[in-house]
Amino acid sequence: DAGVTQSPTHLIKTRGQQVTLRCSPKSGHDTVSWYQQALGQGPQFIFQYYEEEERQRGNFPDRFSGHQFPNYSSELNVNALLLGDSALYLCASSLGPREGTEAFFGQGTRLTVV
Amino acid sequence: DQQVKQNSPSLSVQEGRISILNCDYTNSMFDYFLWYKKYPAEGPTFLISISSIKDKNEDGRFTVFLNKSAKHLSLHIVPSQPGDSAVYFCAASPNSGNTPLVFGKGTRLSVIA
Repeated sequence: DAGVTQSPTHLIKTRGQQVTLRCSPKSGHDTVSWYQQALGQGPQFIFQYYEEEERQRGNFPDRFSGHQFPNYSSELNVNALLLGDSALYLCASSLGPREGTEAFFGQGTRLTVV
Repeated sequence: DQQVKQNSPSLSVQEGRISILNCDYTNSMFDYFLWYKKYPAEGPTFLISISSIKDKNEDGRFTVFLNKSAKHLSLHIVPSQPGDSAVYFCAASPNSGNTPLVFGKGTRLSVIA
Protein backbone atom coordinates (compact mmCIF):
# COMPACT_ATOMS: atom_id res chain seq x y z
CA ASP A 1 0.00 0.00 0.00
CA ALA A 2 1.66 3.21 -1.16
CA GLY A 3 1.76 5.91 1.44
CA VAL A 4 1.76 9.62 0.77
CA THR A 5 4.15 10.49 -2.04
CA GLN A 6 5.49 13.94 -2.83
CA SER A 7 7.48 15.26 -5.76
CA PRO A 8 10.03 16.53 -6.25
CA THR A 9 12.07 15.72 -3.12
CA HIS A 10 14.34 18.73 -3.52
CA LEU A 11 14.40 21.81 -5.69
CA ILE A 12 16.14 25.13 -5.90
CA LYS A 13 14.39 28.23 -7.18
CA THR A 14 15.35 31.86 -7.63
CA ARG A 15 13.63 34.66 -5.75
CA GLY A 16 10.60 35.89 -7.70
CA GLN A 17 10.00 32.62 -9.48
CA GLN A 18 6.99 30.36 -9.14
CA VAL A 19 6.99 26.75 -7.95
CA THR A 20 4.56 23.82 -8.00
CA LEU A 21 4.78 20.93 -5.57
CA ARG A 22 2.81 17.73 -5.97
CA CYS A 23 1.26 15.21 -3.60
CA SER A 24 -0.47 11.86 -4.00
CA PRO A 25 -2.43 10.83 -0.92
CA LYS A 26 -2.38 7.46 0.75
CA SER A 27 -4.68 4.97 -0.94
CA GLY A 28 -8.25 5.45 0.25
CA HIS A 29 -7.69 8.96 1.59
CA ASP A 30 -9.64 11.88 0.18
CA THR A 31 -8.32 14.87 2.12
CA VAL A 32 -4.99 16.58 1.61
CA SER A 33 -3.39 19.16 3.88
CA TRP A 34 -0.20 21.10 3.26
CA TYR A 35 2.25 22.21 5.92
CA GLN A 36 5.40 24.34 5.85
CA GLN A 37 8.25 23.42 8.19
CA ALA A 38 10.94 26.03 8.51
CA LEU A 39 14.30 25.08 9.98
CA GLY A 40 14.07 24.45 13.71
CA GLN A 41 10.29 24.85 13.75
CA GLY A 42 7.33 22.54 13.78
CA PRO A 43 5.12 22.15 10.72
CA GLN A 44 2.70 25.07 10.12
CA PHE A 45 -0.65 24.50 8.46
CA ILE A 46 -1.05 26.15 5.04
CA PHE A 47 -4.41 24.83 3.78
CA GLN A 48 -6.56 21.76 3.39
CA TYR A 49 -8.40 20.37 0.37
CA TYR A 50 -11.43 18.11 0.41
CA GLU A 51 -13.78 17.38 -2.50
CA GLU A 52 -11.57 19.56 -4.72
CA GLU A 53 -12.19 22.65 -2.63
CA GLU A 54 -10.06 24.56 -0.17
CA ARG A 55 -11.80 23.91 3.15
CA GLN A 56 -9.51 25.53 5.67
CA ARG A 57 -6.59 27.91 5.43
CA GLY A 58 -3.83 28.92 7.81
CA ASN A 59 -2.10 32.26 8.10
CA PHE A 60 -0.36 32.29 4.74
CA PRO A 61 -0.51 34.97 2.01
CA ASP A 62 -2.40 34.58 -1.25
CA ARG A 63 0.90 33.78 -2.98
CA PHE A 64 0.26 30.28 -1.68
CA SER A 65 -2.47 28.52 -3.62
CA GLY A 66 -3.46 24.96 -4.26
CA HIS A 67 -5.58 22.57 -6.15
CA GLN A 68 -7.06 19.12 -5.67
CA PHE A 69 -7.81 16.84 -8.58
CA PRO A 70 -10.64 14.30 -8.95
CA ASN A 71 -8.21 11.50 -8.04
CA TYR A 72 -7.56 13.33 -4.72
CA SER A 73 -3.97 14.27 -5.60
CA SER A 74 -3.01 17.84 -4.90
CA GLU A 75 -0.69 20.63 -5.92
CA LEU A 76 0.75 23.50 -3.91
CA ASN A 77 1.71 26.60 -5.88
CA VAL A 78 3.81 29.43 -4.55
CA ASN A 79 4.18 32.62 -6.60
CA ALA A 80 6.76 35.40 -6.34
CA LEU A 81 9.07 33.31 -4.18
CA LEU A 82 10.83 34.97 -1.27
CA LEU A 83 13.97 33.81 0.50
CA GLY A 84 11.79 33.16 3.54
CA ASP A 85 9.80 30.56 1.61
CA SER A 86 12.76 28.20 1.90
CA ALA A 87 11.46 25.29 3.95
CA LEU A 88 10.36 21.67 3.95
CA TYR A 89 6.85 21.41 2.52
CA LEU A 90 4.87 18.49 3.88
CA CYS A 91 1.73 16.98 2.49
CA ALA A 92 -0.58 15.02 4.77
CA SER A 93 -3.52 12.90 3.76
CA SER A 94 -6.45 11.67 5.79
CA LEU A 95 -10.05 10.52 5.61
CA GLY A 96 -12.23 13.48 6.19
CA PRO A 97 -14.08 14.94 7.74
CA ARG A 98 -14.33 12.05 10.19
CA GLU A 99 -13.72 11.60 13.88
CA GLY A 100 -10.59 9.87 15.06
CA THR A 101 -8.72 10.18 11.81
CA GLU A 102 -4.96 10.63 11.87
CA ALA A 103 -2.98 12.41 9.20
CA PHE A 104 -0.30 10.51 7.34
CA PHE A 105 2.61 12.58 6.05
CA GLY A 106 4.77 12.33 2.98
CA GLN A 107 8.55 12.67 3.11
CA GLY A 108 8.32 16.32 2.09
CA THR A 109 9.76 18.58 -0.59
CA ARG A 110 12.78 20.62 0.42
CA LEU A 111 12.51 24.01 -1.30
CA THR A 112 15.50 26.33 -1.35
CA VAL A 113 15.03 29.88 -2.65
CA VAL A 114 18.22 31.69 -3.64
CA ASP B 1 2.17 33.38 19.82
CA GLN B 2 3.04 29.71 20.17
CA GLN B 3 -0.01 27.68 21.15
CA VAL B 4 1.87 24.39 21.53
CA LYS B 5 5.20 24.48 23.31
CA GLN B 6 7.89 21.87 23.65
CA ASN B 7 10.38 23.58 25.91
CA SER B 8 13.13 20.98 25.69
CA PRO B 9 14.86 21.11 22.30
CA SER B 10 16.77 17.94 23.08
CA LEU B 11 16.88 14.98 25.45
CA SER B 12 19.44 12.20 25.93
CA VAL B 13 18.49 8.91 27.58
CA GLN B 14 20.30 5.64 28.18
CA GLU B 15 18.99 2.59 26.35
CA GLY B 16 16.50 0.69 28.50
CA ARG B 17 15.57 3.70 30.62
CA ILE B 18 12.42 5.79 30.41
CA SER B 19 12.18 8.77 28.03
CA ILE B 20 9.75 11.51 29.04
CA LEU B 21 8.90 14.19 26.50
CA ASN B 22 6.80 17.13 27.61
CA CYS B 23 4.38 19.43 25.86
CA ASP B 24 2.34 22.43 27.05
CA TYR B 25 -0.49 24.19 25.27
CA THR B 26 -2.28 27.48 25.76
CA ASN B 27 -5.48 27.17 23.71
CA SER B 28 -8.39 25.86 25.82
CA MET B 29 -10.20 24.86 22.63
CA PHE B 30 -7.71 22.09 21.95
CA ASP B 31 -9.41 18.77 22.52
CA TYR B 32 -7.29 16.23 20.70
CA PHE B 33 -3.56 15.68 20.97
CA LEU B 34 -1.10 13.65 18.96
CA TRP B 35 2.56 12.73 18.98
CA TYR B 36 4.55 12.33 15.77
CA LYS B 37 8.06 10.99 15.33
CA LYS B 38 10.33 12.27 12.56
CA TYR B 39 13.52 10.76 11.23
CA PRO B 40 15.81 12.82 8.97
CA ALA B 41 14.69 12.90 5.31
CA GLU B 42 11.31 11.38 6.23
CA GLY B 43 7.92 12.85 6.96
CA PRO B 44 6.45 12.79 10.48
CA THR B 45 5.02 9.41 11.48
CA PHE B 46 1.98 9.18 13.74
CA LEU B 47 2.74 7.57 17.10
CA ILE B 48 -0.13 7.94 19.50
CA SER B 49 -3.06 10.24 20.25
CA ILE B 50 -5.33 11.14 23.14
CA SER B 51 -8.63 12.96 23.38
CA SER B 52 -9.56 15.22 26.26
CA ILE B 53 -12.05 12.71 27.67
CA LYS B 54 -9.10 10.54 28.69
CA ASP B 55 -6.07 11.22 30.85
CA LYS B 56 -3.98 8.31 29.61
CA ASN B 57 -3.54 6.29 26.45
CA GLU B 58 -1.16 3.40 26.04
CA ASP B 59 0.21 1.64 22.96
CA GLY B 60 3.00 -0.80 23.58
CA ARG B 61 6.08 1.04 24.83
CA PHE B 62 4.41 4.42 24.33
CA THR B 63 2.07 6.09 26.83
CA VAL B 64 0.65 9.59 26.60
CA PHE B 65 -0.62 11.38 29.70
CA LEU B 66 -2.91 14.40 29.56
CA ASN B 67 -3.46 16.90 32.37
CA LYS B 68 -6.16 19.25 31.08
CA SER B 69 -6.19 21.52 34.10
CA ALA B 70 -2.47 22.15 33.68
CA LYS B 71 -2.71 22.17 29.87
CA HIS B 72 0.14 19.69 29.81
CA LEU B 73 0.78 16.36 28.15
CA SER B 74 3.72 14.02 28.17
CA LEU B 75 4.91 11.06 26.15
CA HIS B 76 6.60 8.21 28.00
CA ILE B 77 8.70 5.66 26.15
CA VAL B 78 9.60 2.56 28.17
CA PRO B 79 12.06 0.99 27.63
CA SER B 80 13.86 3.39 25.30
CA GLN B 81 15.66 1.88 22.34
CA PRO B 82 18.33 3.32 20.00
CA GLY B 83 15.80 3.21 17.16
CA ASP B 84 13.67 5.69 19.08
CA SER B 85 16.26 8.39 18.39
CA ALA B 86 14.34 10.97 16.35
CA VAL B 87 12.60 14.32 16.63
CA TYR B 88 9.26 14.09 18.43
CA PHE B 89 6.51 16.59 17.68
CA CYS B 90 3.52 17.27 19.88
CA ALA B 91 0.43 18.41 17.95
CA ALA B 92 -3.05 19.58 18.94
CA SER B 93 -6.38 20.37 17.34
CA PRO B 94 -9.86 21.48 18.47
CA ASN B 95 -11.25 18.01 17.72
CA SER B 96 -10.35 14.73 16.10
CA GLY B 97 -12.47 15.41 13.05
CA ASN B 98 -9.67 16.19 10.66
CA THR B 99 -9.10 19.79 11.67
CA PRO B 100 -5.66 21.34 11.11
CA LEU B 101 -2.94 20.36 13.52
CA VAL B 102 -0.94 22.90 15.51
CA PHE B 103 2.57 21.61 16.14
CA GLY B 104 5.23 22.33 18.71
CA LYS B 105 8.83 22.89 17.65
CA GLY B 106 9.85 19.35 18.48
CA THR B 107 12.23 17.61 20.89
CA ARG B 108 15.22 15.71 19.57
CA LEU B 109 15.55 12.44 21.51
CA SER B 110 18.86 10.62 21.52
CA VAL B 111 18.88 7.12 23.00
CA ILE B 112 22.41 6.09 23.85
CA ALA B 113 23.35 2.42 23.75
